[in-house]
Amino acid sequence: SAVISQKPSRDICQRGTSLTIQCQVDSQVTMMFWYRQQPGQSLTLIATANQGSEATYESGFVIDKFPISRPNLTFSTLTVSNMSPEDSSIYLCSVGDRAGNTIYFGEGSWLTVV
Amino acid sequence: GNSVTQMEGPVTLSEEAFLTINCTYTATGYPSLFWYVQYPGEGLQLLLKATKADDKGSNKGFEATYRKETTSFHLEKGSVQVSDSAVYFCALSDRGTNAGKSTFGDGTTLTVKP
Repeated sequence: SAVISQKPSRDICQRGTSLTIQCQVDSQVTMMFWYRQQPGQSLTLIATANQGSEATYESGFVIDKFPISRPNLTFSTLTVSNMSPEDSSIYLCSVGDRAGNTIYFGEGSWLTVV
Repeated sequence: GNSVTQMEGPVTLSEEAFLTINCTYTATGYPSLFWYVQYPGEGLQLLLKATKADDKGSNKGFEATYRKETTSFHLEKGSVQVSDSAVYFCALSDRGTNAGKSTFGDGTTLTVKP
């Protein structure tokens, strides 16, 4: 099993600022996944973070807006840059077991941009 | 790419009614399948899962069977309660090189009236 800790759990941010979300896993994992859930919407994959390489971004998400770091096999950060109210969302970190049979999610970082 | 299609909502039922929420998927390979539930103002919770064809996942009276021939994973409950009111998400997870990468349906909002 894996336990994921995310920080911050909640924050209220001023528009135009940037915020970095941290994701810590209690075991080594190859890939970590970042999702966004906008209000009233489903979860959308932002990017896949591999240790030792650039993150792979999904269509509609760019590195300048959502830079990701993956310095080791247990940790990753997602930065939401130059925030606007449209960035108000829950951001979730996720990992899976090697077979893809079990998925673990962090508690989420609930961001409100004012 | 992968995709998950859920029946359009919202769904409104009376207490003790039978529930079915349809879910079909498109995937390369042989994914794991999941149902998640999200109560108002709360985070995502795993409801049940199935990892191979003909497997039945079950939890809290909810059931879903992995149907490979129809690429479906419909959620059912024989008698819903007011406390089941929530948003339900169907999802799949890749295996292999992208193990753990999840794709979500749009979600179905269930309201159960006394």
